[in-house]
Amino acid sequence: EDKVVQSPLSLVVHEGDTVTLNCSYEVTNFRSLLWYKQEKKAPTFLFMLTSSGIEKKSGRLSSILDKKELFSILNITATQTGDSAIYLCAVGRSEKLVFGKGTKLTVNP
Amino acid sequence: EAGVVQSPRYKIIEKKQPVAFWCNPISGHNTLYWYLQNLGQGPELLIRYENEEAVDDSQLPKDRFSAERLKGVDSTLKIQPAELGDSAVYLCASSLGASASYNEQFFGPGTRLTVL
Repeated sequence: EDKVVQSPLSLVVHEGDTVTLNCSYEVTNFRSLLWYKQEKKAPTFLFMLTSSGIEKKSGRLSSILDKKELFSILNITATQTGDSAIYLCAVGRSEKLVFGKGTKLTVNP
Repeated sequence: EAGVVQSPRYKIIEKKQPVAFWCNPISGHNTLYWYLQNLGQGPELLIRYENEEAVDDSQLPKDRFSAERLKGVDSTLKIQPAELGDSAVYLCASSLGASASYNEQFFGPGTRLTVL
């Protein structure tokens, strides 16, 4: 059975802190790993990772994939209150995505 | 560019009643997905369309759920009859390409269904 496990499930930090969100997976026919940010309802795309060791970066967010150890991390530096959201990890296998439960991040001022 | 549009945003019904959700994907996106998201869980795929063809409906509970995308553009998801356990957020997403693994999916705002 395919598994995508995210940790921690929730996290509360103060503005300016750096956070690391984790995603481990066990899936057959791995193709890619994707990160989404979900505020209120609609998840919005952050990154797609297909190769090990290559960091993807967008502003204060960065992510990397380790296909040998089957995990990915999402880093957010200098957090802001607007980063408060649920961060979803999804693994692409064949033609579908398998999502984890998400990490709920709360950034307090 | 308009995003994925869903309606209604909220729906409250009594159990055993029928309900329908509508989704209009981003223009030009041939692939459309319906997901179910329970509280505290990630989205789970119900059905995937490529144009008007349902290419993956293995997770759709066909005894009560049905979906259609007749002209390969907008889509409707129906539940009849609804059960208490169907209370969830129903998300629609679309992508330009067919492969979920390699194509960014754009999600709509979802419909929050409450079954009483």
